[in-house]
Amino acid sequence: AQTVTQSQPEMSVQEAETVTLSCTYDTSESNYYLFWYKQPPSRQMILVIRQEAYKQQNATENRFSVNFQKAAKSFSLKISDSQLGDTAMYFCAFGNNDMRFGAGTRLTVKP
Amino acid sequence: GAGVSQTPSNKVTEKGKYVELRCDPISGHTALYWYRQSLGQGPEFLIYFQGTGAADDSGLPNDRFFAVRPEGSVSTLKIQRTERGDSAVYLCASSFGTPNEQFFGPGTRLTVL
Repeated sequence: AQTVTQSQPEMSVQEAETVTLSCTYDTSESNYYLFWYKQPPSRQMILVIRQEAYKQQNATENRFSVNFQKAAKSFSLKISDSQLGDTAMYFCAFGNNDMRFGAGTRLTVKP
Repeated sequence: GAGVSQTPSNKVTEKGKYVELRCDPISGHTALYWYRQSLGQGPEFLIYFQGTGAADDSGLPNDRFFAVRPEGSVSTLKIQRTERGDSAVYLCASSFGTPNEQFFGPGTRLTVL
């Protein structure tokens, strides 16, 4: 079975600090994509960052970066210089077409 | 350009009724996906289309759920004999080819009384 586990239901961070959200997954596939999506209260899912499983180099996107450990099936998201607008639910997902999502981590950035 | 749109944004119905949820993907996107998001959970895959055909419908929970995309653009998710357990937000996404970044719509919140 393909599963995604986000072990941190809620996290908080002070503005301008760094926070890391964890994600582990289980799959027997060798090629797949990994994603972090942000979902603010408006419900709109917004892509934060993506990583191709065949790439060794960790993806970065401005203040967002990932630590991808393929052997450990781990895909954590690091947010640097946290901003109030980063407050949202964050979902880890993987797959090719039928994406599997974790249960999410509610992140609150405090002023 | 316009993003993925979904109508209605909210739908309240009674147990046993039939509902249709509509998704307009981004123009030119060939792939279209439906997900269901229950309260406090992540989205759950239902079905995806490549063009007009359902390439993978393994996530549909039972035969009360059906989706179509007759012209390879707009898609309709149809739910027959709705049950209270069908209450959720139904998300639609589209992408240009597969696999690729999926762009999500705002969802339709379905409430079955």
